[in-house]
Amino acid sequence: GAGVSQSPSNKVTEKGKDVELRCDPISGHTALYWYRQRLGQGLEFLIYFQGNSAPDKSGLPSDRFSAERTGESVSTLTIQRTQQEDSAVYLCASSLESFTGELFFGEGSRLTVL
Amino acid sequence: AQSVTQLGSHVSVSEGALVLLRCNYSSSVPPYLFWYVQYPNQGLQLLLKYTSAATLVKGINGFEAEFKKSETSFHLTKPSAHMSDAAEYFCAVKLNNAGNMLTFGGGTRLMVKP
Repeated sequence: GAGVSQSPSNKVTEKGKDVELRCDPISGHTALYWYRQRLGQGLEFLIYFQGNSAPDKSGLPSDRFSAERTGESVSTLTIQRTQQEDSAVYLCASSLESFTGELFFGEGSRLTVL
Repeated sequence: AQSVTQLGSHVSVSEGALVLLRCNYSSSVPPYLFWYVQYPNQGLQLLLKYTSAATLVKGINGFEAEFKKSETSFHLTKPSAHMSDAAEYFCAVKLNNAGNMLTFGGGTRLMVKP
């Protein structure tokens, strides 16, 4: 497809389990972002990848959260030992350059931790 | 510290009425400012952006926003609401010292009544 693709679209898991969320950015986009959106709240920055540079991890809320990106392609966000407060929609976005202001967002992965 | 504040999590207007969605930012240096829109079951998309050129910025679907430094505001307006404008709107800011990160407001859900 032409847009940012995220999977799964919905994930229900039990507290304490690990989850992996996947993002497939638009081909050719060098920058990739992960955001989290809790119910009724704005988007919370998690992590940013730009090419082969070291990722900006300043938004990751705890060491249970990690993300990887292979070159300029797919990224995986991993949450270990999930907690109920991790329940949110996880949004991935990509862009052409390091910053143009225009981020192209996927539809998100809705995570529910029981 | 809150960098961008959207006043009103829900706004309801009648079809044909003026739309005004408020956004204020906190920065001593004018940042880059953006409005994104999220239609139901879709990813966020860029509506318009201010990057220190003209203070009145026109976007898609008849929306525009005016940067007012004295009021630290970037309110979004549309003269006449259409049913298809019903969506969630997010104001975002890139601070000059924030690398490549966009900080989003809490969002405003616009409802349009027939």
